[in-house]
Amino acid sequence: QQQVKQSPQSLIVQKGGISIINCAYENTAFDYFPWYQQFPGKGPALLIAIRPDVSEKKEGRFTISFNKSAKQFSLHIMDSQPGDSATYFCAASRPGGGADGLTFGKGTHLIIQP
Amino acid sequence: GAGVSQSPSNKVTEKGKDVELRCDPISGHTALYWYRQSLGQGLEFLIYFQGNSAPDKSGLPSDRFSAERTGGSVSTLTIQRTQQEDSAVYLCATRFGGPSYGYTFGSGTRLTVV
Repeated sequence: QQQVKQSPQSLIVQKGGISIINCAYENTAFDYFPWYQQFPGKGPALLIAIRPDVSEKKEGRFTISFNKSAKQFSLHIMDSQPGDSATYFCAASRPGGGADGLTFGKGTHLIIQP
Repeated sequence: GAGVSQSPSNKVTEKGKDVELRCDPISGHTALYWYRQSLGQGLEFLIYFQGNSAPDKSGLPSDRFSAERTGGSVSTLTIQRTQQEDSAVYLCATRFGGPSYGYTFGSGTRLTVV
């Protein structure tokens, strides 16, 4: 059972446009929702994260929108740049950690065309 | 150290050989995870360590895989009699914090079995 569903699998956006990646989760015990950015040959790096007590978090050009009732959250990249081209993973974590402490979506391969 | 360090960064091995992958976690991070990322795929949980407790091995794909963590710090993932399907990037991550917790990933070891 896939607990975090991510879409789209791949995305092409023109430079300056808005990139939007969506995730949906099932486990209502999740309380931490990070987004990771991964460049080829590198490990995932934390980009931005949100906890369910807020509906939106913005850091620079990156915004997470969170809808607790719909069990969905999304990443918006404003003014997308070629340097944003990477694979993005959403994840969800529940308190207390544990073996399934962090559950990942399958990733979105984002390409920003100059 | 300042981050999670993994070694080697790349490893090419012949089918049937044993390999050892190392993870040096951030000092003080008691929870440590190993994940596997196959080409173009998401992250697959392998094993979880919490302090000096017995590890949760529920994600290990076969009995050829094992891991240990010495003194609650350095961890080694061992794959015996490697197969071509073991080719992947192996990622180590540690969990930090209490209520405001998060995760930090190493850059991974890219394993190629030829």
